[in-house]
Amino acid sequence: AQSVTQPDIHITVSEGASLELRCNYSYGATPYLFWYVQSPGQGLQLLLKYFSGDTLVQGIKGFEAEFKRSQSSFNLRKPSVHWSDAAEYFCAVGDGNRDDKIIFGKGTRLHILP
Amino acid sequence: GAVVSQHPSWVICKSGTSVKIECRSLDFQATTMFWYRQFPKQSLMLMATSNEGSKATYEQGVEKDKFLINHASLTLSTLTVTSAHPEDSSFYICSARSAGGGIAGSTGELFFGEGSRLTVL
Repeated sequence: AQSVTQPDIHITVSEGASLELRCNYSYGATPYLFWYVQSPGQGLQLLLKYFSGDTLVQGIKGFEAEFKRSQSSFNLRKPSVHWSDAAEYFCAVGDGNRDDKIIFGKGTRLHILP
Repeated sequence: GAVVSQHPSWVICKSGTSVKIECRSLDFQATTMFWYRQFPKQSLMLMATSNEGSKATYEQGVEKDKFLINHASLTLSTLTVTSAHPEDSSFYICSARSAGGGIAGSTGELFFGEGSRLTVL
């Protein structure tokens, strides 16, 4: 069964600094990978997704993620964070069947220092 | 973009009562909807997969008689928490995938509702 690990529960960075959130997955075949963001008390918004092709994926709000099969990783990056980026970030994996399930990691809460 | 709406966004009820949460896809037809539960500061845990016109598929450990799911149309799925107790207090989120499915045979994008916060007194 697929699984997702987000090693960092909390990350704190200064506004304007670069950001990298880690995500490792476990899945036997080619995974379908996602990053979602959740603001307090809100639903989830898709930042980006990887299905196939170019391993560097561009998303919304200036985020990108790189799929590295050799490392089973799909880390999320942003070159310069803004205070509005403070939120909970979830990495997720799906197995590609039409009735498949998306499994979420435990999330990483991002704090931004002014 | 596609929109999924949940109603109510928050509800407070007394222990022993039943609560129904609706999940609607507003501008697309959803053959499959998913229900998640999120405890404070926790990740989303998949509860069940709701397929239009058939019985829901529940994840291990989720009581199907406790959490009744109905997907009567391509735009509506409902989750009913029966005889709610304080431990059922949680944030419930639904997601929906369009009937078109995105990339054929693969995971289409899911659109999430904004969640429903249930508090059982």
